[in-house]
Amino acid sequence: ETGVTQTPRHLVMGMTNKKSLKCEQHLGHNAMYWYKQSAKKPLELMFVYSLEERVENNSVPSRFSPECPNSSHLFLHLHTLQPEDSALYLCASSQDSTAAQYFGPGTRLTVL
Amino acid sequence: GQQLNQSPQSMFIQEGEDVSMNCTSSSIFNTWLWYKQDPGEGPVLLIALYKAGELTSNGRLTAQFGITRKDSFLNISASIPSDVGIYFCAGYTGANSKLTFGKGITLSVRP
Repeated sequence: ETGVTQTPRHLVMGMTNKKSLKCEQHLGHNAMYWYKQSAKKPLELMFVYSLEERVENNSVPSRFSPECPNSSHLFLHLHTLQPEDSALYLCASSQDSTAAQYFGPGTRLTVL
Repeated sequence: GQQLNQSPQSMFIQEGEDVSMNCTSSSIFNTWLWYKQDPGEGPVLLIALYKAGELTSNGRLTAQFGITRKDSFLNISASIPSDVGIYFCAGYTGANSKLTFGKGITLSVRP
């Protein structure tokens, strides 16, 4: 595997479900990010991790819970989501927090 | 605030034509990035620019970091159907700043 990978690519969940999104980067980068991309809206930064420490939580509701166990892996734990949370969730990584970011293919999430 | 302006929202060109897109801001940026996104996929980094006046090419793509540091341009030469997609500019204003994105330009290429 090369670059940034994300699983699953598609996810459908009910509002009472708990699920997790996974991101893995094979680039040796030190910073990782979660973004939300809704239709016809700009990319919204959700969380930033630098050297496995959370450095940014962009006013994201607590029903989204990130986890960064090491510099290569990033998770986004989801619980009791709302239909308006349906979106493309993108993971990215960069060498440091002001370098070019490389994105994964995204997880298309649908909340019923 | 730090905003990146991209217009028009959509562009339609004929296969084989060249196309130019620009990205402007009222703020100074010290890094400019250009991404392309296909439907249902993540943005792919095309070109990164780190110095004012820098001109960088990647195949048929050429991008420039404006001398004022408030704009950047992306040129695509001899367009082909697979150039279809959404082109985003993005940039950093300085150390510890977030990556700011433009709203993107949707490019359509007529065969």
